Amino acid sequence: NAGVTQTPKFRILKIGQSMTLQCTQDMNHNYMYWYRQDPGMGLKLIYYSVGAGITDKGEVPNGYNVSRSTTEDFPLRLELAAPSQTSVYFCATTTIQGGNTEAFFGQGTRLTVV
Amino acid sequence: AQSVTQLDSQVPVFEEAPVELRCNYSSSVSVYLFWYVQYPNQGLQLLLKYLSGSTLVKGINGFEAEFNKSQTSFHLRKPSVHISDTAEYFCAVRPIAGNTGKLIFGQGTTLQVKP
Repeated sequence: NAGVTQTPKFRILKIGQSMTLQCTQDMNHNYMYWYRQDPGMGLKLIYYSVGAGITDKGEVPNGYNVSRSTTEDFPLRLELAAPSQTSVYFCATTTIQGGNTEAFFGQGTRLTVV
Repeated sequence: AQSVTQLDSQVPVFEEAPVELRCNYSSSVSVYLFWYVQYPNQGLQLLLKYLSGSTLVKGINGFEAEFNKSQTSFHLRKPSVHISDTAEYFCAVRPIAGNTGKLIFGQGTTLQVKP
């Protein structure tokens, strides 16, 4: 099992460019999340999904979009990149069935917008 | 709403010394509590969690944490640290009720273990 896989690991974007951060999981979890990590700020929730076809905004959704067409994939889209989106992005999954509470994280995507 | 405060942004400590990383939380509903560790250039992995029962919970790598409901704290401790414990540590909470599984994180504490 690969767990949670994020691609790419690193990316430099110019202001105004767009890109998609990919996240794939093979754990058959219904719940998936995108967080961004900024120094001294911890992790902030961008978007989340409780199942295929269902997404909702988190704490910091502005400038991002998501889709969830399958259980496995949860891509994060940046339409018009801005310097404020320079960050490390983490995808995570969990299931709340059977009292399970652990979240599993990908290795992260380090994005720089210049 | 929930919030998590990690009281120290950086904790320097010598190898084999004890360490405590402090975490306080605020919540109007009951929550599960977690500590995650992030090694350099890695994702987060679970150290330990408190769901219910005994307030002292043990995790991986010799870490333990104590839940104190009256002080709304969940401090992480290790009696003797190793160089390999150098990492960033995050305290997090998750509401027990509800069906979103969302985690609310603290700001993180960088543990620097010196030889």
